[in-house]
Amino acid sequence: DTAVSQTPKYLVTQMGNDKSIKCEQNLGHDTMYWYKQDSKKFLKIMFSYNNKELIINETVPNRFSPKSPDKAHLNLHINSLELGDSAVYFCASSPQGLDEQFFGPGTRLTVL
Amino acid sequence: GESVGLHLPTLSVQEGDNSIINCAYSNSASDYFIWYKQESGKGPQFIIDIRSNMDKRQGQRVTVLLNKTVKHLSLQIAATQPGDSAVYFCAEKLLGFQKLVFGTGTRLLVSP
Repeated sequence: DTAVSQTPKYLVTQMGNDKSIKCEQNLGHDTMYWYKQDSKKFLKIMFSYNNKELIINETVPNRFSPKSPDKAHLNLHINSLELGDSAVYFCASSPQGLDEQFFGPGTRLTVL
Repeated sequence: GESVGLHLPTLSVQEGDNSIINCAYSNSASDYFIWYKQESGKGPQFIIDIRSNMDKRQGQRVTVLLNKTVKHLSLQIAATQPGDSAVYFCAEKLLGFQKLVFGTGTRLLVSP
C-alpha cells in the first residue's frame, strides 16, 4: 500500500534511555515532518526535511535528533528520555509544490 | 481506552443533522488552510483544503468556508453520520513557509 508508515506503534521505556522512531513514505514526496501530539491532543511541528536537508527546527531540545538517510525516510532519535517526552509522535510527508500533508499512524511513546 | 483529549471543545449532534465546526486562525498572512479528521488511535486524515483567494470550497458532504476579515474558518458536514465521530483540526500555513500550524481541535460526537 502507498502510505506513510511508522515503527514502532507503541514504545514504553524508562527515563534516561535513548530510543528511535522510524518513518518511511513510499509516496515519492520530497518533504517529511515530525509532529508531537500532547495529552490535550495539541499537534505541533518539530522538524521538517526537504530532500534530506533540514528546513524547519522548531526550538526542540537538542536531545531530539532527526536523521534523513534518503528522501523516503525520516527517523527521530531521542536521547536521555524525560517524562515530558511522553506523547504521540506523527510523521508526515508532502509532495513538492503542494501544501497538503499526509500523516502516518503515529507512535505512542510512554516514558516511565 | 484513551483518556486524552478530555478537555477538547465538543460538538454533539444527532445522526442526520448538519454539523458546523468552527476555527479561528491567527495569522492574516496565511495563504492555505486545511481540515483534518483524527479518529481514535489514528493519524490525521485530510478532509478538505482551501486557499486564501477563495471563500468557499465544497467536497463530498463537506464544505469549508473562509472569512478572512475575521480570520475564521468553518467546516460544514452535511447529514452527519456516526462514522464522522472524531476530532477535527483546522490548520493554517503562512505564505512562504512550509509548516502547518494546527488549531486546538474539536471533538464531534454523533449519536445514532
